[in-house]
Amino acid sequence: KNQVEQSPQSLIILEGKNCTLQCNYTVSPFSNLRWYKQDTGRGPVSLTIMTFSENTKSNGRYTATLDADTKQSSLHITASQLSDSASYICVVNQAGTALIFGKGTTLSVSS
Amino acid sequence: EAQVTQNPRYLITVTGKKLTVTCSQNMNHEYMSWYRQDPGLGLRQIYYSMNVEVTDKGDVPEGYKVSRKEKRNFPLILESPSPNQTSLYFCASRTGSGKETQYFGPGTRLLVL
Repeated sequence: KNQVEQSPQSLIILEGKNCTLQCNYTVSPFSNLRWYKQDTGRGPVSLTIMTFSENTKSNGRYTATLDADTKQSSLHITASQLSDSASYICVVNQAGTALIFGKGTTLSVSS
Repeated sequence: EAQVTQNPRYLITVTGKKLTVTCSQNMNHEYMSWYRQDPGLGLRQIYYSMNVEVTDKGDVPEGYKVSRKEKRNFPLILESPSPNQTSLYFCASRTGSGKETQYFGPGTRLLVL
């Protein structure tokens, strides 16, 4: 079954600290993997998109990694800010058109 | 500015009263879709459209209808809303290649009494 599992479900960190969110998937055939940030009550916004051949992609303080062999991805946030408080969603594009969504990790950054 | 717009943003209605949520994109995208988001369940696809006059069911299509008469518009229709359709709805669009960013609308929060 095509699935995307994210961990942890929620996370609380202090402002300025780093954190890493995990995403494991069983989607096949694989096309690409996306990370989205979703602020409460708003639409998700794309952070990164990685294809099979890409191991790392950065967007400012956000760095995503992909290991296509183990079917794992991570999103690393450096020097967290209060504005990083949001839900982070991992999405795998099954070759073709289907997008398989994870349930997200809720990150809370406190001062 | 590239964007996906939805209307209304908030809606309270009663069981059985037909409603339509509009969605429009200005990026000439072929692919559009509707999602609902519920606590603990994440985003689930309701319907999608790969181009004008081409629509197909997603994971949770029951109780919903869509149409794609123009490339830019993709309305979501609830013919007879029920309380279990109370949810946060998102419209999204992207190019047909599947390798580009998907843009989401701001969301429509629906309450069915």
